Formats: sequence, C-alpha cells, structure tokens
Amino acid sequence: AQSVSQHNHHVILSEAASLELGCNYSYGGTVNLFWYVQYPGQHLQLLLKYFSGDPLVKGIKGFEAEFIKSKFSFNLRKPSVQWSDTAEYFCAVNSKAGNMLTFGGGTRLMVKP
Amino acid sequence: NAGVTQTPKFQVLKTGQSMTLQCAQDMNHEYMSWYRQDPGMGLRLIHYSVGAGITDQGEVPNGYNVSRSTTEDFPLRLLSAAPSQTSVYFCASQGGRNTGELFFGEGSRLTVL
Repeated sequence: AQSVSQHNHHVILSEAASLELGCNYSYGGTVNLFWYVQYPGQHLQLLLKYFSGDPLVKGIKGFEAEFIKSKFSFNLRKPSVQWSDTAEYFCAVNSKAGNMLTFGGGTRLMVKP
Repeated sequence: NAGVTQTPKFQVLKTGQSMTLQCAQDMNHEYMSWYRQDPGMGLRLIHYSVGAGITDQGEVPNGYNVSRSTTEDFPLRLLSAAPSQTSVYFCASQGGRNTGELFFGEGSRLTVL
C-alpha cells in the first residue's frame, strides 16, 4: 500500500520568507503526485500536479514542486510567501495502477504579516 | 456549474443515531469518494466508487455505508453514530482513472455527542 509523509506539521514564517514543505511517499511503481491547499474555512483546491515529464512543476500563486524519483520526494516551494498563503497544505499520491489518492497528514502554514 | 455539492454543512448527532450525508456532482464524473479529515491525520478515504453500481472500501470504512445508484449521487450513511465519527467529511469526484485531480465539496462538519 502507498503512504505519504509530511514531516512538518506546523510552519510559521514571516512575509517574504522562502518556503519549502517536505513530502515523501512510499510506493515502488509509477505515481502521480499532487499538492492541495485548504484555506481557512474552505475546501481543498489543487495547487499543482505532476504526471510525467519535467520534474519541476509550477502551479498557481507562484508555487512550484520538484519530483525527485530517487528520493521518493515531491517538495513544495515558494520563494517569497505572503500572508494570504496561510493555509493547510496536503501532499497526495495516486499510483498509476490505482484509482484513489492517498494524502499526507498535512502541514499547517502560518505567515505573519 | 455547481461542481460537487454536499449537504448538510453542519450536523450534531447523539450516539446511536443514524444519518445520511448527501453528495451530488454535475460534471458527469465516474469516480466519487468520501474522505474524513481529522487534525494531524490528513484526509483518509472512507469509501469510493468507480461508477454507478460499483463501490469499494477505502482506508477507514467501518461504521459507514455507501451506494451509487446514479452517476451524480454518492450518499454516505452513518449506521449508528459514535463519538469517534466526529469529523469533517468531504465528498470528491474525479474525471477518470489516473487523472487524480479531485474536485471537493465544501465539507460537512459532524459532531457526535
């Protein structure tokens, strides 16, 4: 069975700081990888996704993520965070042989103005 | 285009009561699923369906029942509510196998006393 680990449960940053959220997964086969964001009081929305090709993917709002196959990782990055990035971020994996996503435990990001 | 619609948004139950969370999507998606979200545990898959008439168990199916009589609807039934089922429930749909991109409803916050 596949699993997803997000090692940072809570992150607090000041505005303009750089962000990197870790995500590691365990699955031996080919995967699709996702980052979802949940703003306070809202439902989850897709931030970015990786299916194949260039391992550096760009998403909405200046976020990007890099797939490193040898490390089973898909870390999320943003060069300069804003107060409006305060949210909970979820990494998710879908094996190409399977149907449904497996989510990590989430990282709650707070950006101080 | 409403997307994924969940009702009710909030519900309080007493232990032992039963209820149904409704979910409907208007995107003609094959795949639908129910997740529960608990602090620090991310989203955990309860049940899912790959098409009308087909359902399967996810990671945490005990105490829940689903059916999929139409493509549009995927209700989640709590047979005899327990305090451990206090959670936020999200219904999601996706367009097809391996697309992986989930479209979420706005969630249903359930409290079991």
